[in-house]
Amino acid sequence: TAGITQAPTSQILAAGRSMTLRCTQDMRHNAMYWYRQDLGLGLRLIHYSNTAGTTGKGEVPDGYSVSRANTDDFPLTLASAVPSQTSVYFCASSDTGGGTYNEQFFGPGTRLTVL
Amino acid sequence: GQNIDQPTEMTATEGAIVQINCTYQTSGFNGLFWYQQHAGEAPTFLSYNVLDGLEEKGRFSSFLSRSKGYSYLLLKELQMKDSASYLCAGLDSNYQLIWGAGTKLIIKP
Repeated sequence: TAGITQAPTSQILAAGRSMTLRCTQDMRHNAMYWYRQDLGLGLRLIHYSNTAGTTGKGEVPDGYSVSRANTDDFPLTLASAVPSQTSVYFCASSDTGGGTYNEQFFGPGTRLTVL
Repeated sequence: GQNIDQPTEMTATEGAIVQINCTYQTSGFNGLFWYQQHAGEAPTFLSYNVLDGLEEKGRFSSFLSRSKGYSYLLLKELQMKDSASYLCAGLDSNYQLIWGAGTKLIIKP
């Protein structure tokens, strides 16, 4: 079982360009999440989805958008990248969301540098 | 506001015991998680506490005191492979995780 996969592994992007970070899980989890992790800071939630067809904003949603067309995929799009979006991005999933506890499983991360 | 505090870095000796503390302030509380993250890798789940007391899982134990807003992770019989960052996270009233910045644990032989 692959669990959660993310692509690309790393990317260097020019400021102003757009990019989509891909995330796919094969565990049939309902809930999926996008976080960014910056040195000295905790993981910060960007967007989440409790079930296919629904999405919600996290702590730091500005400059990012998501969609959840099906259970398995949860892409994150940067419409016009800025240097402050340089970070490591983690996708995660859990069996349920929005009202219950379940541990989150993380993908391997995408290291993004915006120049 | 919501806040998770934990030490930035700790050093311990192989074979010893180390306790990593975490204090939390969240809007509502639905439990406390500990994750382990090796450098360059994804976080992996270690433990979850929602009731007061100690949960033991092999060499790792986690403690929670809800009245004090306090948790700790206890690692026994330290091994070199335990060198990693340990992330504390509180589950708030919206069932969203609020993460601490992590404690980098350095194990010396």
